[in-house]
Amino acid sequence: AQSVTQLGSHVSVSEGALVLLRCNYSSSVPPYLFWYVQYPNQGLQLLLKYTSAATLVKGINGFEAEFKKSETSFHLTKPSAHMSDAAEYFCAVSEKVEAQKLVFGQGTRLTINP
Amino acid sequence: AAGVIQSPRHLIKEKRETATLKCYPIPRHDTVYWYQQGPGQDPQFLISFYEKMQSDKGSIPDRFSAQQFSDYHSELNMSSLELGDSALYFCASSLGTGHSPLHFGNGTRLTVT
Repeated sequence: AQSVTQLGSHVSVSEGALVLLRCNYSSSVPPYLFWYVQYPNQGLQLLLKYTSAATLVKGINGFEAEFKKSETSFHLTKPSAHMSDAAEYFCAVSEKVEAQKLVFGQGTRLTINP
Repeated sequence: AAGVIQSPRHLIKEKRETATLKCYPIPRHDTVYWYQQGPGQDPQFLISFYEKMQSDKGSIPDRFSAQQFSDYHSELNMSSLELGDSALYFCASSLGTGHSPLHFGNGTRLTVT
């Protein structure tokens, strides 16, 4: 079975600082990996996804993630944090090639300090 | 652009009651997924439908059932509600069962008292 581990349930950075949210996965097959963002009282919004094309994936709102097979990682980064980035972030892996049944990580709450 | 619509947004029920949650996918999307997110928890996959047929099943209790109708909307029926069923229930839709992106609704917050 596939699984996702997000290191750090809470991350706090200053506005303008680098954002790094860590995600490691476990999979016996080539994974499809996703990052979702959840704002309070809202649904999950797709930030970006990796589907075996380029290992560096660019998403919305200036976020990007790099797939590193040797490290089984898919960390999310943003060079300069903005106050509006404060939210819950979920890393997810698709369990089957042909389906979209997602297995989510525990989530990381990102706080931006002024 | 039209998004996934879920109703109701909030629902309060008592133990042992029943609840029905509705999901209206994005137009032309033929696949619907249901997820349950408990307080402070990550979303857990419950069940999915493709072209009105169940396509996959996750950790959905036997007390719950769901279906997808001819207009592709879906309903999640929950009976004999328990306190532990209190959660945010998300519906997502996509086009087909490949890797087209999932589009999530804003969820229905169910509180069981």
